[in-house]
Amino acid sequence: GDSVTQMEGPVTLSEEAFLTINCTYTATGYPSLFWYVQYPGEGLQLLLKATKADDKGSNKGFEATYRKETTSFHLEKGSVQVSDSAVYFCALTPKAAGNKLTFGGGTRVLVKP
Amino acid sequence: GAVVSQHPSWVICKSGTSVKIECRSLDFQATTMFWYRQFPKQSLMLMATSNEGSKATYEQGVEKDKFLINHASLTLSTLTVTSAHPEDSSFYICSAGLAGGIALNEQFFGPGTRLTVL
Repeated sequence: GDSVTQMEGPVTLSEEAFLTINCTYTATGYPSLFWYVQYPGEGLQLLLKATKADDKGSNKGFEATYRKETTSFHLEKGSVQVSDSAVYFCALTPKAAGNKLTFGGGTRVLVKP
Repeated sequence: GAVVSQHPSWVICKSGTSVKIECRSLDFQATTMFWYRQFPKQSLMLMATSNEGSKATYEQGVEKDKFLINHASLTLSTLTVTSAHPEDSSFYICSAGLAGGIALNEQFFGPGTRLTVL
């Protein structure tokens, strides 16, 4: 079946540091890929997405590129802020699965001032 | 646009009682809604997929008689936790999928409901 693997946290960074969260996936065909962010006590918010190979999703300074050859969708941000402290989830949905999402385990990020 | 609300945002109940959680899509029609459960510091676990006007499809290991799902309209789905017990305490999150369009594979999440069973 489909699966998503992302690096375990917590990841602790200083403000303005570079952030990378690795995400790899296993799926048949060409799934759509997503990064969601969850702030403390809240539900999930879509951060960015990519629907086909080589697409780059970007939002709020975060970027991720759909790499079919390495089945990866790593999340990056060049300069993090304290407000970026949250849990980040990588997810996929096969095109024909009726929106059913498969999530990675989540990576907690803590940015210190 | 594409806002999903949940009510209540938190609830505390006694063991043996039932609790109903509502999930509403406020500004769009959602043919499909999803219910997830999230334990502390863990990922989301899909419980069931709910399609308007039909019975929900439950994931393996989820008791359908324990977690009753009703999707009566294109903007409302409800999850009822029946005869709740302390082990049902969790964060329940719903999401809604847009009916067609370019965002076919995107889900919009509600803010979650924290259930505590005493």
